[in-house]
Amino acid sequence: QKEVEQNSGPLSVPEGAIASLNCTYSDRGSQSFFWYRQYSGKSPELIMSIYSNGDKEDGRFTAQLNKASQYVSLLIRDSQPSDSATYLCAVNRNFGNEKLTFGTGTRLTIIP
Amino acid sequence: ETGVTQSPTHLIKTRGQQVTLRCSSQSGHNTVSWYQQALGQGPQFIFQYYREEENGRGNFPPRFSGLQFPNYSSELNVNALELDDSALYLCASSFSTLFTGLTTEAFFGQGTRLTVV
Repeated sequence: QKEVEQNSGPLSVPEGAIASLNCTYSDRGSQSFFWYRQYSGKSPELIMSIYSNGDKEDGRFTAQLNKASQYVSLLIRDSQPSDSATYLCAVNRNFGNEKLTFGTGTRLTIIP
Repeated sequence: ETGVTQSPTHLIKTRGQQVTLRCSSQSGHNTVSWYQQALGQGPQFIFQYYREEENGRGNFPPRFSGLQFPNYSSELNVNALELDDSALYLCASSFSTLFTGLTTEAFFGQGTRLTVV
């Protein structure tokens, strides 16, 4: 079992719709959870971090964490073509985004 | 623009050779983490340097080694290159105080694309 699992996609979503990205993790001791966006040929860019169960909203992005189910998700509302990228889920046993364990990423395509 | 710079941006090496990759951390940061990202995969943690000492290592063989300098910039050295070492190498810098456990957000550099032929 991989430590962090994501559906590799591709996930295609119409422009203006909600994109839903999911991630499960195996280490129950994980404390910090992150979503990164990575455009082709570029480095990952942090878009959301979440540390407690529940929802965290930032603009069009909402991260959801359920530690009991070992599940993290990212919702992108009003999807734009510029949201087309690979989204990486990452977890850490400590607080902070150093020494991260990443999933393989989900490729998201927003269809105009 | 994160303030973390890596050099070179692209590199081609022959199997068996050695390579050194460099990372300049963001001003005020004292911690550098290195990651390897193979094509189609997520980044994998190689090791971290905190105040010039190795502070944690992932599942990579000893031929992957590193250094951190007094100005907190860092090098990643890979000996006896193998074809599977072809990847995007990323460094991320942050500020940490291990005594209190405080750590700031880590920012990635643009990466070095290494191709081993």
